[in-house]
Amino acid sequence: GAGVSQSPRYKVAKRGQDVALRCDPISGHVSLFWYQQALGQGPEFLTYFQNEAQLDKSGLPSDRFFAERPEGSVSTLKIQRTQQEDSAVYLCASSRHLDRGGGAGELFFGEGSRLTVL
Amino acid sequence: TQLLEQSPQFLSIQEGENLTVYCNSSSVFSSLQWYRQEPGEGPVLLVTVVTGGEVKKLKRLTFQFGDARKDSSLHITAAQPGDTGLYLCAGDHNFNKFYFGSGTKLNVKP
Repeated sequence: GAGVSQSPRYKVAKRGQDVALRCDPISGHVSLFWYQQALGQGPEFLTYFQNEAQLDKSGLPSDRFFAERPEGSVSTLKIQRTQQEDSAVYLCASSRHLDRGGGAGELFFGEGSRLTVL
Repeated sequence: TQLLEQSPQFLSIQEGENLTVYCNSSSVFSSLQWYRQEPGEGPVLLVTVVTGGEVKKLKRLTFQFGDARKDSSLHITAAQPGDTGLYLCAGDHNFNKFYFGSGTKLNVKP
């Protein structure tokens, strides 16, 4: 497809279950970001990849959160032993590149994966 | 914790009115972007401002980047119901990630 694709769109998990959220970025986009968005709030940065390298994971809330992008394309965000506070929309965004000389490029977002932990 | 504070949080106005949304921070940003997000969708980029003092216009929307590159404003003239949505500012801090503001939820009533 032409845009960023995320799956599943909706996920309901019982507390303690592991979940995996997938992101298919726009083909050729170098940078990939994961954000967490609580209801009515702005997105909060989780982690960032440039190709397959995870350059920043400072936003991951705990060691239960893990993200990977092994081939520099598709990325997976994994949450282990889910807790109720993990309930949120998880947004993935990709960008063609980040131009250090002229500012950042445009972020293209997927529709998000809404996680509800019961 | 969000580096960017947006105000107001909520705004409900009648069609045809003007409004201004503010985005403030104590940090200096390399660039700042404004996005609009509709329910069930991801944010969509409206504009990027890079130079301190820069003003950009997009039809009825006017964006300004503060001289010190710490704050920005979005002004909408003659708002229409189609402008309804969550407006987000995002600051590019170190060319490697974006910090988003808390958002302004705008409702334009016909």
